[in-house]
Amino acid sequence: QVQLQQWGAGLLKPSETLSLSCAVYGGSFSGHSWKWIRQPPGKGLEWIGEINHSGSTNYNPSLKSRVTISVATSKSQFSLKLTSVTAADTAVYYCARGAMDVWGQGTTVTVSS
Amino acid sequence: DIQMTQSPSSLSASVGDRVTITCRASQGIRGDLGWYQQKPGKSPKRLLYGASSLQSGVPSRFSGSGSGTEFTLTISSLQPEDFATYYCLQHNSYPLTFGGGTKVE
Repeated sequence: QVQLQQWGAGLLKPSETLSLSCAVYGGSFSGHSWKWIRQPPGKGLEWIGEINHSGSTNYNPSLKSRVTISVATSKSQFSLKLTSVTAADTAVYYCARGAMDVWGQGTTVTVSS
Repeated sequence: DIQMTQSPSSLSASVGDRVTITCRASQGIRGDLGWYQQKPGKSPKRLLYGASSLQSGVPSRFSGSGSGTEFTLTISSLQPEDFATYYCLQHNSYPLTFGGGTKVE
């Protein structure tokens, strides 16, 4: 059974860079794309972007200038970087498999001075 | 961007009720739609994909229909564990977009 385990810093100051990683256990990595989604407190879900095993990416235009998603296929891991964070980036961040049928546990990221 | 308008934003229901949630796309998305259930503090869980295909392990009281711009999620007989927030997601074109959510309480 495929499981996603995510980790990263949970408290950032404005202007810092958010960095999260997600490891895939128990299934094929190369056969899928991999996504990041976020959810601000009390609000709905927002797709951030995705990457496939070969490194091809698609990003939400609303975040594109600040987002980088990368992949380490040999480790079955993928990562998210979001630069110049502000309070508006405070959210629970999720990683998910391409079909969005398997999700990580979520990481709460708070941006506060 | 394709806008997904979900209604209602919340509804009050009782165990045993039939519940219907609607998602409307701002342009045609064929059947490229999924439905997700989220409980407080938990990750979303996919219920349906391809608008009407039931995810493995999901009870058959959940069903979906629609194509193009109008989609529905139906819970035939609401159970206590179904009180949650439901989201639709279109994956027809980038950026992927979610509906605003429906809280069933």
